[in-house]
Amino acid sequence: GENVEQHPSTLSVQEGDSAVIKCTYSDSASNYFPWYKQELGKRPQLIIDIRSNVGEKKDQRIAVTLNKTAKHFSLHITETQPEDSAVYFCAASRGGSNYKLTFGKGTLLTVNP
Amino acid sequence: DAGVIQSPRHEVTEMGQEVTLRCKPISGHDYLFWYRQTMMRGLELLIYFNNNVPIDDSGMPEDRFSAKMPNASFSTLKIQPSEPRDSAVYFCASWTSGRSKTSSYNEQFFGPGTRLTVL
Repeated sequence: GENVEQHPSTLSVQEGDSAVIKCTYSDSASNYFPWYKQELGKRPQLIIDIRSNVGEKKDQRIAVTLNKTAKHFSLHITETQPEDSAVYFCAASRGGSNYKLTFGKGTLLTVNP
Repeated sequence: DAGVIQSPRHEVTEMGQEVTLRCKPISGHDYLFWYRQTMMRGLELLIYFNNNVPIDDSGMPEDRFSAKMPNASFSTLKIQPSEPRDSAVYFCASWTSGRSKTSSYNEQFFGPGTRLTVL
């Protein structure tokens, strides 16, 4: 089955700096890669996703890049703010008739004021 | 829509007791997922349903766990008998295979979770 590795497990940055979280996946048939944000005690919520037919996607301060050849994808947050502090999860799935999401172990991002 | 609804939000029980977690998916969503979240293992998919039919239960840890979806608006996850190592947050999520104009095509919407503590 699919295996998703996520690094780093913790990340601390100063407000205004950029943060990068990286994930690798094992199943070459995976074609959908979402990122979820989970604040303390809350539910995971989708913040951005990318399908395998594109290499990059942006939404304001966040962006995701995908390298299908290397089987890795990354989340980039620019101009970080204290409210960006949370656990971020990457995931992968094949889509189509298989909608199972396999999640990475998560990255605890702390943005220091 | 109220989103995915789960109950109870917190459950404390003693080892050996039966535990039943409940989920109401978003109306019109044809997929329902049960996840377990722990510090050690992260977010694990336990089982998912499509149109009330279980599709993949390979993540269910053992026979003590069972899940049902008797209709499109209700699902249960049961643990019998419960053990301390079952302590975790259990999330239910739902998803529609239909097109949505307001959200990402593949977004799974999570419920608020049930925090289970087995003493």
